[in-house]
Amino acid sequence: GESVGLHLPTLSVQEGDNSIINCAYSNSASDYFIWYKQESGKGPQFIIDIRSNMDKRQGQRVTVLLNKTVKHLSLQIAATQPGDSAVYFCAEWGGSQGNLIFGKGTKLSVKP
Amino acid sequence: DAGVTQSPTHLIKTRGQQVTLRCSPKSGHDTVSWYQQALGQGPQFIFQYYEEEERQRGNFPDRFSGHQFPNYSSELNVNALLLGDSALYLCASSLGWGSLSGYTFGSGTRLTVV
Repeated sequence: GESVGLHLPTLSVQEGDNSIINCAYSNSASDYFIWYKQESGKGPQFIIDIRSNMDKRQGQRVTVLLNKTVKHLSLQIAATQPGDSAVYFCAEWGGSQGNLIFGKGTKLSVKP
Repeated sequence: DAGVTQSPTHLIKTRGQQVTLRCSPKSGHDTVSWYQQALGQGPQFIFQYYEEEERQRGNFPDRFSGHQFPNYSSELNVNALLLGDSALYLCASSLGWGSLSGYTFGSGTRLTVV
């Protein structure tokens, strides 16, 4: 996987492989984190979330890991499928801010 | 049950013009947030409306203004358009101010300023 930086990184994986997408967040006071999937021409779609009092949460084929020490999130997608091809964003929610703060995203391409 | 609907889907404007974008929240939601997403970037928060008032605002100039109507729908207005305002404008609705309850995004309005 690749970390979100100052550009839109791309991760290319083979169908059936596992994907790992990384994200560094900015605010140590953020207490809630979300991964979104955005397909071309659509708005962000909720995938999975995690609260700051947890370090791991699993969904259907997806797992989110949170490392508060280094302010790092990762999204793991098991058995990646062509339909998983999209841009993935992590977002943090500070509660009192009343809004989501998004990272710049990682483009996932799945080769059949 | 319709989700968040935005109109128009695409729009082309000339530099210096004004534009109005519209958003209808998901049924049962009372809060609307607007985001700007430049090409290759993550969405950036513009402002949030609840009970017909602007409750939170991001780092955007006063050229960006909004309104919320009694039926909870919302408009985003941008005056004196700049080329740099070209972006996908996303609306998200939720239940309650400062809450992520049911936070749902629309598909956005693609604004191109020429």
